Amino acid sequence: AQKVTQAQTEISVVEKEDVTLDCVYETRDTTYYLFWYKQPPSGELVFLIRRNSFDEQNEISGRYSWNFQKSTSSFNFTITASQVVDSAVYFCALNGYRGDGLTFGKGTHLIIQP
Amino acid sequence: ETGVTQSPTHLIKTRGQQVTLRCSSQSGHNTVSWYQQALGQGPQFIFQYYREEENGRGNFPPRFSGLQFPNYSSELNVNALELDDSALYLCASSPGTPRTRHSDTQYFGPGTRLTVL
Repeated sequence: AQKVTQAQTEISVVEKEDVTLDCVYETRDTTYYLFWYKQPPSGELVFLIRRNSFDEQNEISGRYSWNFQKSTSSFNFTITASQVVDSAVYFCALNGYRGDGLTFGKGTHLIIQP
Repeated sequence: ETGVTQSPTHLIKTRGQQVTLRCSSQSGHNTVSWYQQALGQGPQFIFQYYREEENGRGNFPPRFSGLQFPNYSSELNVNALELDDSALYLCASSPGTPRTRHSDTQYFGPGTRLTVL
């Protein structure tokens, strides 16, 4: 069985601070894909990044960066110089080799205060 | 390019009734997946359709059923509604084939908020 754990239920920071969202996953598959999605109050899940299990190269995209460590089964997400518009619920998700749908964590509610 | 659309936006039903939710996939996408998101939880996979056939199913009872049409749009039907069915129902579309479904990125619609009284 697959499992995604986002231990941080809610994080509140002041604008311009850096913030890291944690994600730990469990799977028996050797081939799998990891995703991060953002869900603003409107409810629509917005895709942010996809990473496969063979690519541990970390990625930076503007103010966003991702740290994938297979040895610790973690796929963490950092926002640098946070902005109020970053306020949302962020979900980490896993899709195993069989592709039986995405397994999501419970999400981290990020609040950026002005 | 048109994104994923869902209808209706909101719906109120009573226990025991039946409901149909609709989804139009993103242009060029032939796979549709449905998820249920209870309040304060992450989405849970219901099932997936590829070219009009069910291509994977999560841990949901048979009263949750679906259809996919030749234009790749899809319906989610729920019979004998229960109070616990109250949730946001999300549809996602993705390109590709059953061989690539584990790697394809799924793009989500805005969801249908179902309330069961």
